[in-house]
Amino acid sequence: DTAVSQTPKYLVTQMGNDKSIKCEQNLGHDTMYWYKQDSKKFLKIMFSYNNKELIINETVPNRFSPKSPDKAHLNLHINSLELGDSAVYFCASSPGWGRGGFYEQYFGPGTRLTVT
Amino acid sequence: SQQGEEDPQALSIQEGENATMNCSYKTSINNLQWYRQNSGRGLVHLILIRSNEREKHSGRLRVTLDTSKKSSSLLITASRAADTASYFCATDGSRDSGGSNYKLTFGKGTLLTVNP
Repeated sequence: DTAVSQTPKYLVTQMGNDKSIKCEQNLGHDTMYWYKQDSKKFLKIMFSYNNKELIINETVPNRFSPKSPDKAHLNLHINSLELGDSAVYFCASSPGWGRGGFYEQYFGPGTRLTVT
Repeated sequence: SQQGEEDPQALSIQEGENATMNCSYKTSINNLQWYRQNSGRGLVHLILIRSNEREKHSGRLRVTLDTSKKSSSLLITASRAADTASYFCATDGSRDSGGSNYKLTFGKGTLLTVNP
């Protein structure tokens, strides 16, 4: 009963292809995120959804399109893949935020995307 | 720009020794969080310290926060080989400082290696 799951774990594809990564959480959280971690381990937020509504879009190329069909799912579709898209993509969820600031986030295992 | 910056970038110690990692940030915060990432895995939340707290303990972990210096430290006592991982601090940035309550900003992490 994994809390935050992602599929696939590995994705190897060629430049120009379109691919999707799926994420599901069974924690009942309202907020979900996509992060990109580069080869130097720098973790950068890409998108955040709260109750299926997009609340953060961090200057990500519009080749990246998130979709949240319901609160428990947040998928990431990437069009026309480029070499620079190679990275590890993490999905995360959290109860969101309160008066004390942000609550802790729960991360999925990551999807290692390699574009050749 | 990054909010949290960990120091050192890498730390190698012997089992049983204590490990101290530092994090500096730039804007006012509501809280600061520490996460651990084992190789090839997602991040795991370790501890959250609020801006009005100075010290917090959780098992072998001790976190301090100095808001006047905009810095935090994570101490792991009696380290074990299983503590080998990257450690990240994350801040949420209070609205008063122009930051956002809607996202966490992660530092680049400290790679801790505990040698048996």
